[in-house]
Amino acid sequence: NAGVMQNPRHLVRRRGQEARLRCSPVKGHSHVYWYRQLPEEGLKFMVYLQKENIIDESGMPKERFSAEFPKEGPSILRIQQVVRGDSAAYFCASSPWMAGDGTQYFGPGTRLTVL
Amino acid sequence: KNQVEQSPQSLIILEGKNCTLQCNYTVSPFSNLRWYKQDTGRGPVSLTIMTFSENTKSNGRYTATLDADTKQSSLHITASQLSDSASYICVVSALGTGTASKLTFGTGTRLQVTL
Repeated sequence: NAGVMQNPRHLVRRRGQEARLRCSPVKGHSHVYWYRQLPEEGLKFMVYLQKENIIDESGMPKERFSAEFPKEGPSILRIQQVVRGDSAAYFCASSPWMAGDGTQYFGPGTRLTVL
Repeated sequence: KNQVEQSPQSLIILEGKNCTLQCNYTVSPFSNLRWYKQDTGRGPVSLTIMTFSENTKSNGRYTATLDADTKQSSLHITASQLSDSASYICVVSALGTGTASKLTFGTGTRLQVTL
């Protein structure tokens, strides 16, 4: 009964490279959320996706960031041309339905370090 | 702007002692409030959830209270154990605009339980 899985757990990139973060939701969950946590700060919502659809991307920077949740396979958060300010922990959460009560199950996170 | 503030920022207590963490929020329209425990290097795990009509909820040695009038919540930990050392995050859910709930995260209280 696997929970939300994220990989890699740690990712190091040099400035200008691309970072690709993967999230496999709980089996049967069709809603995925991505959050970013900067050091000493709370989690900040980035994007909410259902299978093949972006529902809410109001928290995601307009440039360099993109997310997808294809019909098959994990959800991907992609950061192009990374900068040092992108260094953070990125958490994925999933829910089995439109999370009206906020029920989301979190993965262990990917820690991105940009050199 | 929806906000969640937690205090204290950090706390050190001796094993076996009790402690209380505070959460003040300005989130509207309010849906529910959760307390999460986040171990170092892990994703948040839900401890309790309370809706508007509930003013107390227990989960083992954790007891959460909610005062919806003053928009305050507390998390009381009884007979602390070393494994309670973690960040405790207050998360308030606002009713969304027909899609997913909007979650507002506090920055957390970092609790350290020592011998």
